[in-house]
Amino acid sequence: EAQVTQNPRYLITVTGKKLTVTCSQNMNHEYMSWYRQDPGLGLRQIYYSMNVEATDKGDVPEGYKVSRKEKRNFPLILESPSPNQTSLYFCASSLSSGLGYTFGSGTRLTVV
Amino acid sequence: QQQVKQSPQSLIVQKGGISIINCAYENTAFDYFPWYQQFPGKGPALLIAIRPDVSEKKEGRFTISFNKSAKQFSLHIMDSQPGDSATYFCAGTSGSARQLTFGSGTQLTVLP
Repeated sequence: EAQVTQNPRYLITVTGKKLTVTCSQNMNHEYMSWYRQDPGLGLRQIYYSMNVEATDKGDVPEGYKVSRKEKRNFPLILESPSPNQTSLYFCASSLSSGLGYTFGSGTRLTVV
Repeated sequence: QQQVKQSPQSLIVQKGGISIINCAYENTAFDYFPWYQQFPGKGPALLIAIRPDVSEKKEGRFTISFNKSAKQFSLHIMDSQPGDSATYFCAGTSGSARQLTFGSGTQLTVLP
């Protein structure tokens, strides 16, 4: 089944404790992105990648890091999480046409 | 700066009625306008999309109307069903990275 897999689905952590949210896609898509979803704000792009070793900042990159060492994987790293990073996070992937992104099921992160 | 403005924030419709969600955009670099549907606990899924050189696109009960001069587009759901109850996001796509910029979302409830 073609899909984007995120792990974990739920995560509660403490301020300052480094964490990684994994994202993997099995569709051989070139493009991958991370979004955060907050009530009333829709989905905002954090980082995106057009291919292996090619990443760039989205609209809200502060406090996040990403890497794209393999085409299928695009982990999101929070080196020192803060409470304002409490949110619902989505990974998405697409062919280079960008005509339709496939989203993962989301990771609900709570930072206390 | 919100590049895609979406209204209403929430919408309640009776079964069999017409649901209408409106979006307005500012970025003239957008060259593709998708709508995504999101059910609770799931990631957004592509519902229907339109290019700006087309004024209307219909797929089953779902229709996009597009007004390029007014920089506005809307989603019409005909014969709305309880199963259509979800959050709907309009979006614009731009650039070689095919970045998605989302509206703030509309929570649709269709009453049985």
